[in-house]
Amino acid sequence: GAVVSQHPSWVICKSGTSVKIECRSLDFQATTMFWYRQFPKQSLMLMATSNEGSKATYEQGVEKDKFLINHASLTLSTLTVTSAHPEDSSFYICSAGSRGRDNSPLHFGNGTRLTVT
Amino acid sequence: KNQVEQSPQSLIILEGKNCTLQCNYTVSPFSNLRWYKQDTGRGPVSLTIMTFSENTKSNGRYTATLDADTKQSSLHITASQLSDSASYICVVRSSGGYQKVTFGTGTKLQVIP
Repeated sequence: GAVVSQHPSWVICKSGTSVKIECRSLDFQATTMFWYRQFPKQSLMLMATSNEGSKATYEQGVEKDKFLINHASLTLSTLTVTSAHPEDSSFYICSAGSRGRDNSPLHFGNGTRLTVT
Repeated sequence: KNQVEQSPQSLIILEGKNCTLQCNYTVSPFSNLRWYKQDTGRGPVSLTIMTFSENTKSNGRYTATLDADTKQSSLHITASQLSDSASYICVVRSSGGYQKVTFGTGTKLQVIP
């Protein structure tokens, strides 16, 4: 089946530094990628939707200058957490889908656990 | 505004028992509804998809139902196992444009021996 690879699976960084998370679709063209954040014992919170070749659409309350999303190709999207703070510590997950394939599932990465010290 | 609400928020059941999770949505125009299972620390995995014309669909011990008139779906788990402990997320996709996807808040299920 379709596979989405997310890297790294976990990262620890110091406050004030930036962290880049990659999301790759391994065997299909992902025209749309979604980025989520999940706090402990809570459900997924959609942060932004990105379509290949265009700017990401951010959900209300998500700072686009802090969470930079790039979706330059049909197989790769990146999320960069800039100037990370301890409150940014969370589980970040991406998912990928294809435009026009309404009945195909979203394929999720296995997430990245970010800890900011 | 498109919304997907799930109930209960959390549930604890004994191993071997059955349970039913609920999903109510207000997404329009409706394309399909999918149930995902998310194990702790992992990404969600699709269990089943329901389109407008489908009322019931089974996948092993999981049976999903859809009532498109009342905009409700349920996920029934039969003879629960410890490995069923996870969060179950209802996701509704609308048609047209970029096929907007709306996520439910999830139900956290814990199966205990």
